[in-house]
Amino acid sequence: QQPVQSPQAVILREGEDAVINCSSSKALYSVHWYRQKHGEAPVFLMILLKGGEQKGHDKISASFNEKKQQSSLYLTASQLSYSGTYFCGTLLTGGGNKLTFGTGTQLKVEL
Amino acid sequence: DTGVSQDPRHKITKRGQNVTFRCDPISEHNRLYWYRQTLGQGPEFLTYFQNEAQLEKSRLLSDRFSAERPKGSFSTLEIQRTEQGDSAMYLCASSPPRFYEQYFGPGTRLTVT
Repeated sequence: QQPVQSPQAVILREGEDAVINCSSSKALYSVHWYRQKHGEAPVFLMILLKGGEQKGHDKISASFNEKKQQSSLYLTASQLSYSGTYFCGTLLTGGGNKLTFGTGTQLKVEL
Repeated sequence: DTGVSQDPRHKITKRGQNVTFRCDPISEHNRLYWYRQTLGQGPEFLTYFQNEAQLEKSRLLSDRFSAERPKGSFSTLEIQRTEQGDSAMYLCASSPPRFYEQYFGPGTRLTVT
């Protein structure tokens, strides 16, 4: 089942902060975050595993609430280059290696 | 790291023809994935390999689709008797042995006329 992201879209001024949420109805093993610009492939940002391990870019932070099956991506001091569509991807506990991508959040950063 | 590469980048074919796409993963990555993406949607999982073994395949994948990874290095995705509904971006990704984060290639855009 596809995870649900919120908001669907957000517009920021450069330097502002944003939070993107990802919610699943099933028990998660890990949450992955990607950014995709128009016409390009998704780019890996962060992975958060059940149990607390995580790996990602230094300027990106995220959280994973294992009890609520929710994850949030925190974008601080946004830059024009942050614009794009953000997807979370989820792996289910005991669900093999099928990464299911969320509904997507379109982020636009303006001057 | 040279990244994941895919070939061709664009393919236009007529309905009913067969097409084959190639993916070269990052060299030390033992896991390889194929996805399909249509406009406005997130990538949709098609299949997954660990080394040369195909371990998962989406139930959405019809019998016209087949994938191989013969020596655990590059992979090919073949679509037989293409249909207009097959028009999409086909993405390949690979992941390292530990965290399993996935790195995507640039994709092959397929247009079936």
